[in-house]
Amino acid sequence: NAGVTQTPKFQVLKTGQSMTLQCAQDMNHNSMYWYRQDPGMGLRLIYYSASEGTTDKGEVPNGYNVSRLNKREFSLRLESAAPSQTSVYFCASSESGQGYEQYFGPGTRLTVT
Amino acid sequence: GQSLEQPSEVTAVEGAIVQINCTYQTSGFYGLSWYQQHDGGAPTFLSYNGLDGLEETGRFSSFLSRSDSYGYLLLQELQMKDSASYFCAVHFGNEKLTFGTGTRLTIIP
Repeated sequence: NAGVTQTPKFQVLKTGQSMTLQCAQDMNHNSMYWYRQDPGMGLRLIYYSASEGTTDKGEVPNGYNVSRLNKREFSLRLESAAPSQTSVYFCASSESGQGYEQYFGPGTRLTVT
Repeated sequence: GQSLEQPSEVTAVEGAIVQINCTYQTSGFYGLSWYQQHDGGAPTFLSYNGLDGLEETGRFSSFLSRSDSYGYLLLQELQMKDSASYFCAVHFGNEKLTFGTGTRLTIIP
């Protein structure tokens, strides 16, 4: 089992460019999440999906969109990147009813210049 | 809103015991989770307290007191590999977690 995988690992964008971060899990989990982590800070929830076909906003959704493509895949899109979106992005998944135990991917380090 | 407070940095000696505290100002949550994150790595789940009291998992224990709005992570027999950041997070039962800002633990020989 690969667990949670994310692509790409690193990305540099110019202001205004768009990109999609990909995430997939092979643990048959219903719930999936996108977080951002800024230096010296905890993780902040951007969006989450409790099941295929549903998505909900988290704490910091502005500037992002998500797609729960199927049970395995949950993508995060930046339509027009801004320097404030420079961060490390983590995808995570969990069993239904066990959101307290989340499994994280390795992260995507995004720099917006 | 929710607010979780942790010390930003803690230093401890190899082989010793260290306690990382987490105080919160929120209500109506289901429980408190703890995660470990090494530099450049992903957070990994350590423990969860759904009830008040102590949960023990090997060298790590976690405690929750809802009446005191307080929890802690206790690490025993510290090893150099325990140097990492530790995050508490409240679980609200709707699958979401709200994370604290983390405690950077440094183990010295």
